[in-house]
Amino acid sequence: NAGVTQTPKFRILKIGQSMTLQCTQDMNHNYMYWYRQDPGMGLKLIYYSVGAGITDKGEVPNGYNVSRSTTEDFPLRLELAAPSQTSVYFCASSSPDTAYGYTFGSGTRLTVV
Amino acid sequence: QQQVKQSPQSLIVQKGGIPIINCAYENTAFDYFPWYQQFPGKGPALLIAIRPDVSEKKEGRFTISFNKSAKQFSLHIMDSQPGDSATYFCAASSNTAGNKLTFGGGTRVLVKP
Repeated sequence: NAGVTQTPKFRILKIGQSMTLQCTQDMNHNYMYWYRQDPGMGLKLIYYSVGAGITDKGEVPNGYNVSRSTTEDFPLRLELAAPSQTSVYFCASSSPDTAYGYTFGSGTRLTVV
Repeated sequence: QQQVKQSPQSLIVQKGGIPIINCAYENTAFDYFPWYQQFPGKGPALLIAIRPDVSEKKEGRFTISFNKSAKQFSLHIMDSQPGDSATYFCAASSNTAGNKLTFGGGTRVLVKP
C-alpha cells in the first residue's frame, strides 16, 4: 500500500502565482485533511472532507480552496500565492476502521518569493 | 485560540533517560488524545493514543498518562534511545464529524548517546 501520496515534494512560487497540491490515498478512507506546518509550530487545519463531494473549512482556510470529487483524491488549490503561505503542507486521511488514527503524507515544502 | 498547549518546546536527555512531554487542553468535549512522532523531512506518524476512560496506556517504551480532572496528559519515553530523537506532537479531538485533530505546538526531543 502506498498510503497517502503527495506531490510535488518541493515547490517555489512567485507572489501572485497559483498552484495545486495533489493528495491521493489508496486506503479507502472516508476522511481527508490538509494541514500546514510552520517552522517550530504545530499543525494547523486548513480544510477537511468527510467524504466525496463534502468539504469544510478548518482553522486557517483563507487563501486556499479544495475539492473532493472522489474518495481517493483531495487536491488543495492556492490562488494568488503570498509569502505568508510559505510552509510545509501535509495531507492526511483517516476512518472509523482505523480508530481515527491519521495517516499522513510526506509533505510538500512550499516557498513563496 | 490554542486549545492544546504543549511543553516544553525542546528537550535534551542522555540515552536511557526518560523524556516527559506535557499537554493541557481546554475543550472538555475532547475525547481522543493521540501522540504523533515526526522525523525530519517526514510526515507525522501515530505513536500511541488514549481515551479518557483510562488513566494510563503503555505501548512498548511509550506511556501516556491522562488526568481528566486537570485536563492534562503526558508522554513518557522509557529507556530513551538516540533513534527516538524526533519531534513529538500531542493532539486532541472530539466526537464530531470528520474527527478533526487539534495539535499542540510540538516538542523537539534529542537523545544523546
